[in-house]
Amino acid sequence: QSTLTQPASVSGSPGQSITISCTGTTSDVGYYNYVSWYKQLPGKAPEVMIYEVSKRPSGTSNRFSGSKSGNTASLTISGLQAEDEADYYCSSYTRIRTMVFGGGTKVTVL
Amino acid sequence: QVQLVQSGAEVKKPGASVKVSCKASGYTFTSYAIHWLRQAPGQRLEWMGWINAGDSDTEYSQEFQGRVTITRDTSASTAYMDLSSLRSEDTALYYCARDFGSGSGRWGAFDIWGQGTTVTVSS
Repeated sequence: QSTLTQPASVSGSPGQSITISCTGTTSDVGYYNYVSWYKQLPGKAPEVMIYEVSKRPSGTSNRFSGSKSGNTASLTISGLQAEDEADYYCSSYTRIRTMVFGGGTKVTVL
Repeated sequence: QVQLVQSGAEVKKPGASVKVSCKASGYTFTSYAIHWLRQAPGQRLEWMGWINAGDSDTEYSQEFQGRVTITRDTSASTAYMDLSSLRSEDTALYYCARDFGSGSGRWGAFDIWGQGTTVTVSS
């Protein structure tokens, strides 16, 4: 399997909303509702922000939301804040019991 | 508290093997799957494989088929990742992570991560 397709970078001003897309195939994103999103700060381990497409772990701000349509999942960050600046990765469980990750998106707060 | 603690940094020569450990504490080890991932400097996360800590079932990425073996020791609450035939491109930070939904048949969400183990492959 290859990687899920994410934009390399997305930027926005404080208070704005941004959306990061994550495109896979009918064997991964389109097959199960097991899409997760991770935030990674430099030098740190990733942190799960969204799981099972749209669920938020306790402690994750409700400014983060997830959705899916067909083979494409999306992460939306509303009310963008300086602390949201990080790399974001999507992942999906696949039909053959493996995992696949996206290439990562660098979010910049202008 | 719930945590995964990985073994220390390794320096290996090309062609050698490396074994990284991941010790779980604060939860029932056999109730969840453990995944292994890696991240080369400045690069994306790359998934390597997982093990069901309960029944030892495993699955591996095709990218590493034949080179990676994941095992676990329930008495030590520890998972292991063994990578063989190392080459310079295997230089990376290796992570283990707990799949928190796996205990209830849901997959692919990693809530607890190890601190990472740096593996450097150099002649």
